[in-house]
Amino acid sequence: GNSVTQMEGPVTLSEEAFLTINCTYTATGYPSLFWYVQYPGEGLQLLLKATKADDKGSNKGFEATYRKETTSFHLEKGSVQVSDSAVYFCALSDGGKLTFGKGITLSVRP
Amino acid sequence: GAGVSQSPSNKVTEKGKDVELRCDPISGHTALYWYRQSLGQGLEFLIYFQGNSAPDKSGLPSDRFSAERTGGSVSTLTIQRTQQEDSAVYLCASSLKVSDFSYEQYFGPGTRLTVT
Repeated sequence: GNSVTQMEGPVTLSEEAFLTINCTYTATGYPSLFWYVQYPGEGLQLLLKATKADDKGSNKGFEATYRKETTSFHLEKGSVQVSDSAVYFCALSDGGKLTFGKGITLSVRP
Repeated sequence: GAGVSQSPSNKVTEKGKDVELRCDPISGHTALYWYRQSLGQGLEFLIYFQGNSAPDKSGLPSDRFSAERTGGSVSTLTIQRTQQEDSAVYLCASSLKVSDFSYEQYFGPGTRLTVT
């Protein structure tokens, strides 16, 4: 079956630091890949997505590239802000339901 | 426009009671999903409705769980004879299914269920 593995957390960074959150997946077929974010006290919202190999999703300074050869979709940001503090979920879809990773909590210190 | 809404926002119930959770999807969205979020299990898919097709119930954890979607819009998730392990945040999402690979799911704020 499908599965998503995220790096263990939590992660604490200083403002303006570089961020990488690793995500790898196992899937039959060719899934779409997503990063969802959950800010404190808010609901899940889509951060970015990629629907085929070598696609790069980007939003709010975050980027992730769909790497079929390494089955990965790592999330990166060059300079994090305090407002990026949230829980980040990697997910895949093969045409319907989403399969999520366990999520990782990011805290950014001023 | 209005997003996905869920009610109630919080529900406390006694073990063994039945509960109903409601979801109002975004108008015009043909697909509706239920997930639950718990500390131990993370985010898990429960059930998925797409238009008039038979729902995908593959994620329901037991036969105590059921869901229906009336008129292709509002959905109700019912948990019978609740157990303490049912305590979680139940999330509803909807999407405009454009294709199998490009739709976005929009999530509601969730219902926090506590079984005492």
